[in-house]
Amino acid sequence: NFMLAQPHSMSESPGKTVTISCTRSRGSIASNFVQWYQQRPGSAPTTVIYEDDQRPSGVPDRFSGSIDSSSNSASLTISGLKTEDEADYYCQSYDSNNVVFGGGTQLTVL
Amino acid sequence: EVQVVESGGGLVQPGRSLRLSCAASGFTFDDYAMHWVRQAPGKGLEWVSGISWNGGSIGYADSVKGRFTISRDSAKSSLYLQMNTLGPEDTALYYCAKDRGIAVAGLIDYWGRGTLVTVSS
Repeated sequence: NFMLAQPHSMSESPGKTVTISCTRSRGSIASNFVQWYQQRPGSAPTTVIYEDDQRPSGVPDRFSGSIDSSSNSASLTISGLKTEDEADYYCQSYDSNNVVFGGGTQLTVL
Repeated sequence: EVQVVESGGGLVQPGRSLRLSCAASGFTFDDYAMHWVRQAPGKGLEWVSGISWNGGSIGYADSVKGRFTISRDSAKSSLYLQMNTLGPEDTALYYCAKDRGIAVAGLIDYWGRGTLVTVSS
């Protein structure tokens, strides 16, 4: 099995850009798709990125995803930050009938 | 409209069993893998188990392997989680989630609101 490591918390001002990283401990980040979920307090998670860099309908194009094989990591970038983007963000990937979530990043926008 | 609605949570004593159910609607249940994901109070998301579209592939987190059993019933468009030998560490909000595909890959596109399981004497 592998793990996905995320920063515990990040903070940025409205209008700025933030990038959340997700590093895979074993195996190639490119071997299996990475998803990103947003969870606001008291609510169920929602998908903001799937299959590394795909945005579900309804997710603004301020959200983008990418992977970097050299660092074996995935990234979620949110540009033009809004206060409504304040939430917990989780990366997730899988292998061989095993699904792994990162520990989550608490994003504060102030 | 796609909906997944969990039920069956509650307060249970350590060592006892509980069965969670998830009723799916708004999509062809047989065409997609399904998952259970839990979240302990104040903690992050933890994948518990997943089952492929036809039940042919199943996966479990190490923390529940041998104690929990996932199953699905296509006639009822329902997903289940049988939880045995429960311990305080199983206390969490349990989410039912729909996958985008047929395999146990965690490409989750819809989540339920969750059902709370509390294990305490």
